Amino acid sequence: DAGVIQSPRHEVTEMGQEVTLRCKPISGHNSLFWYRQTMMRGLELLIYFNNNVPIDDSGMPEDRFSAKMPNASFSTLKIQPSEPRDSAVYFCASSLSGGGKYNSPLHFGNGTRLTVT
Amino acid sequence: GNSVTQMEGPVTLSEEAFLTINCTYTATGYPSLFWYVQYPGEGLQLLLKATKADDKGSNKGFEATYRKETTSFHLEKGSVQVSDSAVYFCALSDSSGGTSYGKLTFGQGTILTVHP
Repeated sequence: DAGVIQSPRHEVTEMGQEVTLRCKPISGHNSLFWYRQTMMRGLELLIYFNNNVPIDDSGMPEDRFSAKMPNASFSTLKIQPSEPRDSAVYFCASSLSGGGKYNSPLHFGNGTRLTVT
Repeated sequence: GNSVTQMEGPVTLSEEAFLTINCTYTATGYPSLFWYVQYPGEGLQLLLKATKADDKGSNKGFEATYRKETTSFHLEKGSVQVSDSAVYFCALSDSSGGTSYGKLTFGQGTILTVHP
C-alpha cells in the first residue's frame, strides 16, 4: 500500500497568500485527520472527518483555516490569508473506523512543511 | 477530558543503555494506549499498542505495559541503538464507543538521542 500521501512536501509562501495542502488517505480508510506540529505547541488536532463528513473542527485556529473532503480519496486544508505564525508541519492521517471500541491505528503521511515569510 | 503526560526531554543515552520514557494518562472509561515514533523528516509511525489493562505491547525490542491502577504506559527498551534516535509520542484513544472514529490524544513527545 502507498500509505497516506501528502503534497507538497515543502511550501514557502509570503504572508497574505493562499495556501492549499493536499492529502490522499489510504484506500479503504474512512476517517481522516489533519494535525499541526510546532515546537511550541507540539501536535495539535485541527479537524477530522468520518465518511467524508467533518466531525469536529474545534481545533481549527480561526476562520482563515478551512478543510474539505469532497470524496473518500482526497482532502484539502486551506489557509487564506496565510500568516507567519501558521508556519508549521501539517500532517494528514487516516484510519479505518469500525465503530464501537475498535478502530485501526492512525497512519500518518510524511507531512507538509509550511513556511510563511 | 482526556490527556496524556510524558516525561520531559530531551533524553540522551549512550548506545546499549536502558531506556525508560514515562507516560501517564487521564481518561474516562477504558482507552486503548499507543506509542508512536517519529524519525527526522517523517510522519509518526505506530510503534506498539495495548487495548486493555495488563496488556503488554511490544515491537522492535520496545515494550510498554498498560497499568490501569497507576494510569501509566511507560516505554522501555533494554539496549538502545543509535538508530532509535527519534521523537516518541504516547497516545490514547477515546473509549466512548462508536463516536471516537479513531481519534487519538497525544502527549507532547520526548526527543531521544542515542550516541555511539
